[in-house]
Amino acid sequence: GAVVSQHPSRVICKSGTSVKIECRSLDFQATTMFWYRQFPKQSLMLMATSNEGSKATYEQGVEKDKFLINHASLTLSTLTVTSAHPEDSSFYICSARARTGGPFGYTFGSGTRLTVV
Amino acid sequence: AQSVTQLGSHVSVSEGALVLLRCNYSSSVPPYLFWYVQYPNQGLQLLLKYTSAATLVKGINGFEAEFKKSETSFHLTKPSAHMSDAAEYFCAVRGSNFGNEKLTFGTGTRLTIIP
Repeated sequence: GAVVSQHPSRVICKSGTSVKIECRSLDFQATTMFWYRQFPKQSLMLMATSNEGSKATYEQGVEKDKFLINHASLTLSTLTVTSAHPEDSSFYICSARARTGGPFGYTFGSGTRLTVV
Repeated sequence: AQSVTQLGSHVSVSEGALVLLRCNYSSSVPPYLFWYVQYPNQGLQLLLKYTSAATLVKGINGFEAEFKKSETSFHLTKPSAHMSDAAEYFCAVRGSNFGNEKLTFGTGTRLTIIP
C-alpha cells in the first residue's frame, strides 16, 4: 500500500533555530500534501495544504512566514519551522494524497515530535 | 462546511466487552466519513471509511461502523475488545463535492481496555 515516510521522528532544537521536517511518498506521487499540528491529548489541526509546484494554502491563524512549506516535487514535501520557540513544541503530521488515489486516499506520515528548548 | 463531534473523550471497556465510540457529523453536502486510530507518537492508521456505497462499513481489526443519516451518526463498534485496541480514535469528515479535500477531525476518544 501507499507509504509516507516522515523524518525526523523526534527533534529537539534550541529556541531561535529552524527545523525542517520531511515527508516523502515512497510508492506514489503525492499531488497534495496536508500538514497538521497536534497538541498533547488534542485533535489534529490542519495548518496548510500544498499542491505540487504551487504555493501552500494556509489555514486561518497559521503564520506562513513561520511555517514554510515546500512541495517542489511529487514525492517530497517539507515543513520548516523558522525561529522556533517553545510554544511551537508539538507533534507535526503530514498526509499525502495522490491524483489517482480517489477521494478517500489519505496516507499519513508517522509524525514528528518537535521540542523547542 | 463539515464537522464531527466525538462524544466521550475517554472510554474504558473490559477486555472482551463491546466497544462503542460515538461520532456525529454535520455537513452541508453528502459526507465522506472516516475512522482513524493513533498509537502513541505515531501517525494515523485508517480503520474504515464511509463512501456512500453501503451504510454498514467493515474495517480492519474487527471494527465496523454504521452510517445513519437520520441520526447524523457514524459510530464505531467492535464486538469484543482486545488489549491491543487501546489507543486514540479519531472520526473525520470531508465533503463529497469536487475540490473539497480537507479532512476535519473530531477531538478524539481515548480507549482504555481493562484486563
